[in-house]
Amino acid sequence: SQQGEEDPQALSIQEGENATMNCSYKTSINNLQWYRQNSGRGLVHLILIRSNEREKHSGRLRVTLDTSKKSSSLLITASRAADTASYFCATGSISGNTPLVFGKGTRLSVIA
Amino acid sequence: DAGITQSPRYKITETGRQVTLMCHQTWSHSYMFWYRQDLGHGLRLIYYSAAADITDKGEVPDGYVVSRSKTENFPLTLESATRSQTSVYFCASGGLGWPINIQYFGAGTRLSVL
Repeated sequence: SQQGEEDPQALSIQEGENATMNCSYKTSINNLQWYRQNSGRGLVHLILIRSNEREKHSGRLRVTLDTSKKSSSLLITASRAADTASYFCATGSISGNTPLVFGKGTRLSVIA
Repeated sequence: DAGITQSPRYKITETGRQVTLMCHQTWSHSYMFWYRQDLGHGLRLIYYSAAADITDKGEVPDGYVVSRSKTENFPLTLESATRSQTSVYFCASGGLGWPINIQYFGAGTRLSVL
């Protein structure tokens, strides 16, 4: 069963705009990760945030985590057409000894 | 080549036939995973393996069999394919357990069962 649920399911923006995707989860976690999937390809890891961290940056990516609300957001700044992809959150359990649980993803379209 | 490779990339088969999807990784990761991806369901875990000869069921294991005789290989077998097993299958490898549990995915196998 899905642990993470992304919102929105689909997002369409213009090149240069910022894109924000949200992920909500149900049970306590020790880390949350974001992955990107280009059409017809496998998932690629983007960023990991630990449960004791509130914000993390990597290039144009900014991830926040609010464990009290059991939610995370992924912000992509100054979007490019190449950012068009599906984005998935995945949660790691507290024990760390069970597989990641992936959400259903947000499909981002960046229009040039 | 380093990484994780899946074969075949595309497969068409008929109901009732046995199909084996291959997965090979060169990183010596201890853990390997099989997922299926369907529209509306996202990514669902079929089976995973912690090491050679150690496998565990995931969320949707029925109709699938796995084996892991060598660390680098993790084949997935559909013993008698059904139309409901038409899907895109992804293999992944990585760590499990804090703090390293990032997963690395193959390019996928698109399977059609007619």
